[in-house]
Amino acid sequence: DAGVIQSPRHEVTEMGQEVTLRCKPISGHNSLFWYRQTMMRGLELLIYFNNNVPIDDSGMPEDRFSAKMPNASFSTLKIQPSEPRDSAVYFCASSSGAPTGELFFGEGSRLTVL
Amino acid sequence: KQEVTQIPAALSVPEGENLVLNCSFTDSAIYNLQWFRQDPGKGLTSLLLIQSSQREQTSGRLNASLDKSSGRSTLYIAASQPGDSATYLCAVRAGGLTNTGNQFYFGTGTSLTVIP
Repeated sequence: DAGVIQSPRHEVTEMGQEVTLRCKPISGHNSLFWYRQTMMRGLELLIYFNNNVPIDDSGMPEDRFSAKMPNASFSTLKIQPSEPRDSAVYFCASSSGAPTGELFFGEGSRLTVL
Repeated sequence: KQEVTQIPAALSVPEGENLVLNCSFTDSAIYNLQWFRQDPGKGLTSLLLIQSSQREQTSGRLNASLDKSSGRSTLYIAASQPGDSATYLCAVRAGGLTNTGNQFYFGTGTSLTVIP
């Protein structure tokens, strides 16, 4: 299995631009999670989906952030407009067999907003 | 709300030592507990998964234990090597039937340095 695939791996953009991060979960997994990691705040859950349905988006910082999962094999996290404080590593993770399944992470998307 | 704590935040040991990393959680209603390793600039790699009905899991030099009633888990690393240097995080999957019932709660990690 290819694992959780994220793109892009690195993104540098200017403040105010739209950023779209993409994730392909492991085939057969029915739970998908978006996390953000910074030195100051550690690993934070932004949103998670069960069977393509958003279950808890209370971690989404503000209306500038949105996430979609149009099908079982693809999810996006969008930031519009981006701000320098959004600079972080964004991880996508997926798991199977909720609630007992193992969680697997992608390599992350490192976002720098200038 | 579930809270996960890892102590110490950083640990430095000489090569060859056996060591124990600690993880504690406040709510024993969990489905499972997972240990991860994170190398600088990389994603989190799953090391061991312990289901709530299990007491321990082993993989090579790693052994993880789970005591749900006391809200504790330990990760034992035998004969440590410089390649074991990384940050180790534990996470519990919340139980219950609420909206957050399937969420994972992470500790802040223990940064391990194994000195050659």
